[in-house]
Amino acid sequence: ETGVTQSPTHLIKTRGQQVTLRCSSQSGHNTVSWYQQALGQGPQFIFQYYREEENGRGNFPPRFSGLQFPNYSSELNVNALELDDSALYLCASSTPTHRTDTQYFGPGTRLTVL
Amino acid sequence: AQSVAQPEDQVNVAEGNPLTVKCTYSVSGNPYLFWYVQYPNRGLQFLLKYITGDNLVKGSYGFEAEFNKSQTSFHLKKPSALVSDSALYFCAVRDTGGGNKLTFGTGTQLKVEL
Repeated sequence: ETGVTQSPTHLIKTRGQQVTLRCSSQSGHNTVSWYQQALGQGPQFIFQYYREEENGRGNFPPRFSGLQFPNYSSELNVNALELDDSALYLCASSTPTHRTDTQYFGPGTRLTVL
Repeated sequence: AQSVAQPEDQVNVAEGNPLTVKCTYSVSGNPYLFWYVQYPNRGLQFLLKYITGDNLVKGSYGFEAEFNKSQTSFHLKKPSALVSDSALYFCAVRDTGGGNKLTFGTGTQLKVEL
């Protein structure tokens, strides 16, 4: 098991609501990346945070936003939820001391939008 | 933009037989390639990565992968499959344009039968 933790494990929301997902990075890691994994698909990159700043973003609308805190933990916020937002949300932590570092994933948060 | 293809949705193999899970990639520049495994209702677990050097990379749980530049492939292999290897396997390529984004394939379901 990695030292990456995520909360909550499962979440059910309705369309139009807002949700906040949380991630604690592995000890010593200063970078957190968020991915969305729809059913039957590979994970899709949402964005990455490095030292509390967004450091790259995938093809997701602005209603997907995030934060990183001084202890390197992170939040993913999704506003105006849509049915297609139902997915497993994964966070991964790493330390990009060079371009070849490894991302270690948490167990994910399963979000269901009704 | 980089991409990864996993041509087989499912691979079936008998326990004790060798297994291969295929992956081909497309990148500009040097490829940084990864394999992850996902068990039901779990996050992704890192297996191995290729950065440079020896084309045969050894990883966790007896898995290895062979990098072939001319065929742009990075196939995952194991000499003797176990029932417990049954899981969903993802190949991924690291962004070469800066940042730490991973682009994943669609995954291959491995089923090892007695």
